[in-house]
This record gives sequence, C-alpha cells and structure tokens, in this order.
Amino acid sequence: KQEVTQIPAALSVPEGENLVLNCSFTDSAIYNLQWFRQDPGKGLTSLLLIQSSQREQTSGRLNASLDKSSGRSTLYIAASQPGDSATYLCAVSGIQGAQKLVFGQGTRLTINP
Amino acid sequence: ETGVTQSPTHLIKTRGQQVTLRCSSQSGHNTVSWYQQALGQGPQFIFQYYREEENGRGNFPPRFSGLQFPNYSSELNVNALELDDSALYLCASSLETGPTYEQYFGPGTRLTVT
Repeated sequence: KQEVTQIPAALSVPEGENLVLNCSFTDSAIYNLQWFRQDPGKGLTSLLLIQSSQREQTSGRLNASLDKSSGRSTLYIAASQPGDSATYLCAVSGIQGAQKLVFGQGTRLTINP
Repeated sequence: ETGVTQSPTHLIKTRGQQVTLRCSSQSGHNTVSWYQQALGQGPQFIFQYYREEENGRGNFPPRFSGLQFPNYSSELNVNALELDDSALYLCASSLETGPTYEQYFGPGTRLTVT
C-alpha cells in the first residue's frame, strides 16, 4: 500500500527566503508525482507534475525534483512571497489500476512580511 | 473552457441523514474521481467513474455511492451520515482514465454533519 509523507507539517519563514518542502513515498512504482497548492477551505491548484521518467520540473520560482529510486521529491520555492502562504500537497499516481492519487498530509507554509 | 464545478459550496446535515453532492466535469472529460479531505489531512480517494461505470474504489463503506451521467457530470451520495463524514469533498475530472491523464480539481463542497 502506497504511503506518502510530507515533512515538515508546518513551516514559517520570512519573506524573501528560499525554502524546500519534502515529500517521500513508500512504493517507487509510480507513474507521476504532482505538487498542489491549497488555500484555506479551497480546492487544489496543480503546480507541477513530474513524470516518473523525469527528474525535475520548473515553473517560475518553483522547482520540483523527483528521485524515484529513493522515494523522494522536493519542492523548491525561490524568493518566497507572502502570497505563497498556503498548504502544499504532494500526490503520487500508481502505474496500474484506476487513476488514483495518493496524497501526503501537506505542509502548511506561512511567509511572514 | 469551463473548469470543474461543484455544488453546493457548503452544506450542513444532521447525523443519519442522506446527502447528494454534484460535480460537473471539465468540457470533454469523461472521467470523474471523488476525494474526501478531512480537516488537516490530505485528500483520500473515494472512487472514480469512467464512461458512467465505477472504475475503482478506495477504502470507503458502501453507504458512499456515486453516479455518472451521459454528459459525464457526477453525483456523490452518502447515506446514514456520521459525524466523521464532515469534510471537504473534492471532485476531479480528466480527459480519459489512466495515469497518463492529469486530473483537474474543482473547488470542493464543505459538508458539516452535526
């Protein structure tokens, strides 16, 4: 059974800092890994999707890496801004069966002005 | 292109009642998945519908059931509501089923059971 863990559960940093969010998964047989952003009480916004054959994806100030063999992914946020405050979730998609996403519990990020 | 929409936005029900939540998939998408997100947790997969048939189910009891209609919109029905059913219910649609296809999430329905 796939399990996804995100560390830390919460993170508070001053504006302008670069930061890294971590995600680990127990079964390396994944098809892809996705990072989402969720604002309080809202739905999920997809940030980056990494196929299992890829090692990283970049979008603006965000960079996500994937090491499938070790079961780890990181989300790097450069030059953080107060608008980046949200919960960040990672999710993995298995190779077989229904298109089920298995999510971590999320990291609640607060950027202080 | 219209994104995934869900209704209602918020809902309050009493324990033992039944509830129906609705989801309209993104235009051209034939697959809808439902997730339950308890407060402070990541979403948990409930089930997926593909071309009007259930196509996979998570670890949820039979009182969670669903439907998909010919226009690929979907309903989630929960019978005999329990306090632990209080959560944000998210639906996601994709062009087809399978891990190749990215899922696009709606804004969610917040269900409170009292």
